[in-house]
Amino acid sequence: GESVGLHLPTLSVQEGDNSIINCAYSNSASDYFIWYKQESGKGPQFIIDIRSNMDKRQGQRVTVLLNKTVKHLSLQIAATQPGDSAVYFCAENLGDSWGKLQFGAGTQVVVTP
Amino acid sequence: GAGVSQSPSNKVTEKGKDVELRCDPISGHTALYWYRQSLGQGLEFLIYFQGNSAPDKSGLPSDRFSAERTGGSVSTLTIQRTQQEDSAVYLCASSPVYSGVYNEQFFGPGTRLTVL
Repeated sequence: GESVGLHLPTLSVQEGDNSIINCAYSNSASDYFIWYKQESGKGPQFIIDIRSNMDKRQGQRVTVLLNKTVKHLSLQIAATQPGDSAVYFCAENLGDSWGKLQFGAGTQVVVTP
Repeated sequence: GAGVSQSPSNKVTEKGKDVELRCDPISGHTALYWYRQSLGQGLEFLIYFQGNSAPDKSGLPSDRFSAERTGGSVSTLTIQRTQQEDSAVYLCASSPVYSGVYNEQFFGPGTRLTVL
C-alpha cells in the first residue's frame, strides 16, 4: 500500500553543521505532515508540523519543507548539536481517517564532535 | 503540567497470558491513540478514540487485541492470549481537537511488553 519512506536510514553530522533529513510520501490525499524526534527509551517528541496548504514552516533551529509536486518532505536542523542525536520520524495523515498517522521507518541522526 | 503517562513501564509475561496496558492522556485532550513500535522500527497505528468511541480500529492486529476508553480519559489496551510476536513497545498519544483539524499528538513514554 501507499507509505511514507525515508531515503537515509543513518545520517552522521558534525556538530555545528546543518542536517537535512528527507522523507518521500506517495499518498496525494495526505494533508498533514509531522516530524517527531525519538531518543532512546522515550516516546516520540513533536518537532514541527506542516499542512498541505503550506510549503515551508520554520521553528526554532528547524525548518520543514513540503514539495507536493514530487511528494517530498524534509526537515532541516540548523547548527546541529549533540542533543539532536536521535531517531527522526516523518508521519503523514492519510486523509482517510481523522487522526491516524502513518509513520516512516525513521532516520538515525548521529552528531559527531 | 503533566504529560501523557503510561503504566506499567515494563511488563514481562508468559505466552498465553492476558495483559492490560494503561494510558492516562493529557487532561482535556479528547483524542487518544495507541501505537505499537517493534525494535528498531517505526510506529504502527493500532486504534484511536474520539471521546469514548473508537472510529478507527483498523490497525488492531487480531481479535486478541481490544481497547476501551471510559469517561473520555483513561484508556486500556488489552491483549489476550499473548504471543511472542506481541513483544514491542506500546505507545499512547493524545491530542486536543479544534474543529476537527489535525493537531499534534503528544506521546507517553510507552510500555515495553516482553512475552516469553
